[in-house]
Amino acid sequence: NAGVMQNPRHLVRRRGQEARLRCSPMKGHSHVYWYRQLPEEGLKFMVYLQKENIIDESGMPKERFSAEFPKEGPSILRIQQVVRGDSAAYFCASSLTTGPNEKLFFGSGTQLSVL
Amino acid sequence: DQQVKQNSPSLSVQEGRISILNCDYTNSMFDYFLWYKKYPAEGPTFLISISSIKDKNEDGRFTVFLNKSAKHLSLHIVPSQPGDSAVYFCAASVSGNTGKLIFGQGTTLQVKP
Repeated sequence: NAGVMQNPRHLVRRRGQEARLRCSPMKGHSHVYWYRQLPEEGLKFMVYLQKENIIDESGMPKERFSAEFPKEGPSILRIQQVVRGDSAAYFCASSLTTGPNEKLFFGSGTQLSVL
Repeated sequence: DQQVKQNSPSLSVQEGRISILNCDYTNSMFDYFLWYKKYPAEGPTFLISISSIKDKNEDGRFTVFLNKSAKHLSLHIVPSQPGDSAVYFCAASVSGNTGKLIFGQGTTLQVKP
């Protein structure tokens, strides 16, 4: 009865390095969402993916950030050349369908710290 | 522009009393509202939701009220329990923008035994 699994839980990177965050949705869920929470703020939508497709990336920064959800394997959020401002908690969520009142199930998040 | 606002960063109540958490929104296109609860080092968990066609939804000790004219919703927890101590996030969405939730900043609730 695994929920949404994210790893790693904590990730430390130096400025200029790459960060790769992984998310395995709940069993049977094919819709994945990434959110970012900066300190003292609420969660902010980044991107919505279905298998092999990016549906809505309106919340993604235009540079350095990318996301994928391949046919096999977890969804990956990739941040290239990290900067201190990227330090945040990154949450992944999944849903079974995309109905108007669909409930999102969140993972425990990855805390990214950029030194 | 903060479309969903939770103006109280924190709230402290005594066990057994009522907790009332408030949330205001500005976008009149929002038609679905949710409350999530978050414990430290965990992800948000869904608590209760309400569609804009209703003004009240109840689930056990939790009731959400929606006042569309005031663009305001509130979460009532009664009676409050120490295990309810957590950060509560209000979120809103527009039908068709599935999964794209707009969150408030959160309110930290402390229920004292």
